[in-house]
Amino acid sequence: GAGVSQTPSNKVTEKGKYVELRCDPISGHTALYWYRQSLGQGPEFLIYFQGTGAADDSGLPNDRFFAVRPEGSVSTLKIQRTERGDSAVYLCASRQGSTDTQYFGPGTRLTVL
Amino acid sequence: QQQVKQSPQSLIVQKGGISIINCAYENTAFDYFPWYQQFPGKGPALLIAIRPDVSEKKEGRFTISFNKSAKQFSLHIMDSQPGDSATYFCAATYTGFQKLVFGTGTRLLVSP
Repeated sequence: GAGVSQTPSNKVTEKGKYVELRCDPISGHTALYWYRQSLGQGPEFLIYFQGTGAADDSGLPNDRFFAVRPEGSVSTLKIQRTERGDSAVYLCASRQGSTDTQYFGPGTRLTVL
Repeated sequence: QQQVKQSPQSLIVQKGGISIINCAYENTAFDYFPWYQQFPGKGPALLIAIRPDVSEKKEGRFTISFNKSAKQFSLHIMDSQPGDSATYFCAATYTGFQKLVFGTGTRLLVSP
């Protein structure tokens, strides 16, 4: 079956603009995660959804970042008033039920000029 | 306390050799330790994982060794191949915590 997909694969924007990043999890996976990976670093947790609700958003760096998952499947990460420091690869992962394994998508590379 | 420390930062191994990557953690609540492999431009892919009720887990050429008392775990890649050249991340989490805490990564280069 299809894995986790993310769109766009690359996004270039200007400082101050608004961006939306989309994640399509593996079908049937109830848990969905967003991570951010800066160059040369490991992924860092941003937010975790169980179903439609954000179960843990403790990793969101500030209130410019917001994520939704309105129907419990596709999720959108939204970043307002982008800053150059937001440039990174944003990774989405999904997990099935009570299993441990998180499956990652290919990521969206965000560049803020 | 939520950190996972990983070493070395980079590693060069000859084809056929053994690659060893080490990780250490502080939080004794961690009870699930996966290793992920990441190729350039791709997302991390699960390689192998272990729970602390066993000291070693082997899957093909990949082995995790786990030392609960030392709070350390390591990945061994036997008979390393050029196709193993990638960045490897250790991670940790625990039931109820949900999110993965990643190490800083090790860039492995296997020379032909």
